[in-house]
Amino acid sequence: GQNIDQPTEMTATEGAIVQINCTYQTSGFNGLFWYQQHAGEAPTFLSYNVLDGLEEKGRFSSFLSRSKGYSYLLLKELQMKDSASYLCAVMDSNYQLIWGAGTKLIIKP
Amino acid sequence: DTAVSQTPKYLVTQMGNDKSIKCEQNLGHDTMYWYKQDSKKFLKIMFSYNNKELIINETVPNRFSPKSPDKAHLNLHINSLELGDSAVYFCASSPRAGDTGELFFGEGSRLTVL
Repeated sequence: GQNIDQPTEMTATEGAIVQINCTYQTSGFNGLFWYQQHAGEAPTFLSYNVLDGLEEKGRFSSFLSRSKGYSYLLLKELQMKDSASYLCAVMDSNYQLIWGAGTKLIIKP
Repeated sequence: DTAVSQTPKYLVTQMGNDKSIKCEQNLGHDTMYWYKQDSKKFLKIMFSYNNKELIINETVPNRFSPKSPDKAHLNLHINSLELGDSAVYFCASSPRAGDTGELFFGEGSRLTVL
């Protein structure tokens, strides 16, 4: 079966750095996505990785290792507005997105 | 203008009723989707249409019937609503089927079945 695993919840402090991990087992691979979802709102796109390595976009970076079936989302200089759920999703060989359940990130002052 | 808009945003109804949720995108995308997000926050694909044609139909009860009158619209009709249908339903679009680009989501329609 296809599986995406990520921690259910994480807590971090304002101004700090947090890393949210995602491991996956899918039928084929056409890229990995990270989405941010604030409570009661729609998911919004953060990043897309299809090659191994680190993609940096401002305070957010996403890393991929295809051989390990592993990705992480790194958030720096945390702000209170970063409190949200972070969803990992993998596009399989049929170009279908397989979603993780999301990691709820709580930022404390 | 909202890129992907869906109505209504909130829907409260009794078991056994029939209801519809509408979705429209003004991005010129070819592909539209319906997702269900339950209380455990898993996003589950229900249907996908590419240029008005059904391309993904996951295992959902046949009480759920999508309709795409044109590539900018994808509506979801639900017959004989059950308690387990309570969830947030998200419409989304992408440029084309098989595209590895991002999905654009609507704001969601929260359905509560009493």
